[in-house]
Amino acid sequence: EAGVTQSPTHLIKTRGQQATLRCSPISGHTSVYWYQQALGLGLQFLLWYDEGEERNRGNFPPRFSGRQFPNYSSELNVNALELEDSALYLCASSLSRGALSYNEQFFGPGTRLTVL
Amino acid sequence: KQEVTQIPAALSVPEGENLVLNCSFTDSAIYNLQWFRQDPGKGLTSLLLIQSSQREQTSGRLNASLDKSSGRSTLYIAASQPGDSATYLCAVYGNTGKLIFGQGTTLQVKP
Repeated sequence: EAGVTQSPTHLIKTRGQQATLRCSPISGHTSVYWYQQALGLGLQFLLWYDEGEERNRGNFPPRFSGRQFPNYSSELNVNALELEDSALYLCASSLSRGALSYNEQFFGPGTRLTVL
Repeated sequence: KQEVTQIPAALSVPEGENLVLNCSFTDSAIYNLQWFRQDPGKGLTSLLLIQSSQREQTSGRLNASLDKSSGRSTLYIAASQPGDSATYLCAVYGNTGKLIFGQGTTLQVKP
């Protein structure tokens, strides 16, 4: 069974441009999560989508946005890129969470975004 | 606000040693806790997941324990090998859907 896939592997942009990162979850998973790992800052939660809706958002500016498609794949868009947006962006997927339960998150290999 | 701390930040040991990595969290109301491994420039590899009702999990040379009441988890690595060199991350599952990660412990096992 295929795991979580992300594209592209690497992305190089210049300041002010927009970046689009893509994630395909494990088959049967309806929740997708995005995390940012910037140098020296650790892994930070960005966004959580479940069943096509945004469920939770981390402490990031509105320049960071995304969506989830009917097939549960997801896009992360970063507008007006800044140098500090350079990071490894990780996507994870899980089964849809019940009201009182968790579901293990499975991670993709990541997209390395470099802003020049 | 949940905070996760890992001690030590870095560790260097000779091959064959047994070692313990520590993880502490401030809010004991967690669902579960997971240990990951990350090689330089790479994504995350899941090592062990401990459900909130469990006290430990084992996989090969790895053993992870969880004490929710004290807000602590440990990852025990037996008979360390150079291939174990990596950054080890601890993360807790809260009720907001997100994983909260510690800063990691970077392990170097010398041949």
